[in-house]
Amino acid sequence: DVKVTQSSRYLVKRTGEKVFLECVQDMDHENMFWYRQDPGLGLRLIYFSYDVKMKEKGDIPEGYSVSREKKERFSLILESASTNQTSMYLCASSPGTVLYEQYFGPGTRLTVT
Amino acid sequence: QKEVEQNSGPLSVPEGAIASLNCTYSDRVSQSFFWYRQYSGKSPELIMSIYSNGDKEDGRFTAQLNKASQYVSLLIRDSQPSDSATYLCAVTKAAGNKLTFGGGTRVLVKP
Repeated sequence: DVKVTQSSRYLVKRTGEKVFLECVQDMDHENMFWYRQDPGLGLRLIYFSYDVKMKEKGDIPEGYSVSREKKERFSLILESASTNQTSMYLCASSPGTVLYEQYFGPGTRLTVT
Repeated sequence: QKEVEQNSGPLSVPEGAIASLNCTYSDRVSQSFFWYRQYSGKSPELIMSIYSNGDKEDGRFTAQLNKASQYVSLLIRDSQPSDSATYLCAVTKAAGNKLTFGGGTRVLVKP
């Protein structure tokens, strides 16, 4: 079974803090993604990566950056957390160069106070 | 117009009945279509994928795709209380490099 893990299930941070969310997958997938999910807005893509050291902006990249130094690990960085970044953050991975099924991690519920 | 649209529900279904969920998409070049199930507080779980027109069956689930009309549907036969969840429709384009999700349909199966 594909396993995607995220570093924390719940996280509480203060406004202005730098926040790191980590995601690791164990299936040698090329593609990795970061989404946020908010009530009424659904799942929105923040950033994705097709390969190590490669990244592309999704639909809502503002206020976020990412890092992919190793194939199995994809990090989401909030440079200066704000209250409007309070959300559920979901990491996903998928195999191959053409997108097929994406497998999701358990999610991190981030609260910024 | 949203790229992928679903009725938010809730869709209330008696146990044992068929639940029918619809999804429409706006981009004609969309090529791959997926249904995910998401239980409250959990992450989405893939249940069906479909790539060509027609029906695809997997157990109690049937996905139906009609590219000419730009809709994809999911049927859940013999609905069980454990099917109560939000179902997300997702679409990727021909030169696809990302999935676009609908807002989800909440399904409630009543015993």
